[in-house]
Amino acid sequence: SQKIEQNSEALNIQEGKTATLTCNYTNYSPAYLQWYRQDPGRGPVFLLLIRENEKEKRKERLKVTFDTTLKQSLFHITASQPADSATYLCALDPSSNTGKLIFGQGTTLQVKP
Amino acid sequence: KAGVTQTPRYLIKTRGQQVTLSCSPISGHRSVSWYQQTPGQGLQFLFEYFSETQRNKGNFPGRFSGRQFSNSRSEMNVSTLELGDSALYLCASSWDSATNEKLFFGSGTQLSVL
Repeated sequence: SQKIEQNSEALNIQEGKTATLTCNYTNYSPAYLQWYRQDPGRGPVFLLLIRENEKEKRKERLKVTFDTTLKQSLFHITASQPADSATYLCALDPSSNTGKLIFGQGTTLQVKP
Repeated sequence: KAGVTQTPRYLIKTRGQQVTLSCSPISGHRSVSWYQQTPGQGLQFLFEYFSETQRNKGNFPGRFSGRQFSNSRSEMNVSTLELGDSALYLCASSWDSATNEKLFFGSGTQLSVL
């Protein structure tokens, strides 16, 4: 069956450390993968999109990798801050160009000062 | 530029009733998607509209329906509400979600069915 899984429901790290979140998928061949941030009571906010022909993409303290052989994306936040505490969601379009995103369950990151 | 606006923000209904939720996309966006979010199932795709046409539909019963108007505003309707319909309903807009565009989400409508 088709699945998209994020490694853990919760991740606790100390301020200043690097947070690494994992997104694995099975039985999909997505052309791209997206990462969103969601704060309690709010809708998800787009962070990064990485295409199948891109190995890595960066935006400020954020870095995303995409390994289509392992069917995995890693999301890194370097020099983490308490303000980074939120739920992070990965998403993919299962059939490419349909506009229908499949989301992972999300990983809740807690950064402690 | 105003973001995606969803109304109402909170809604309480009883079983068997129907409900209509509204979404105003970002100006210029022609694609509107709807998602249901629950603690158990996460974010699940309901349907997507582009230029007043439903272009894609998720695996939800026919009680869930939607439409899009000529100004791109969208509504979704749930008839004969069930307890399990309690969820956060999120609307997202983009210029065209089928071209790998990022989605802009509203804050959602929190629906409670009693």
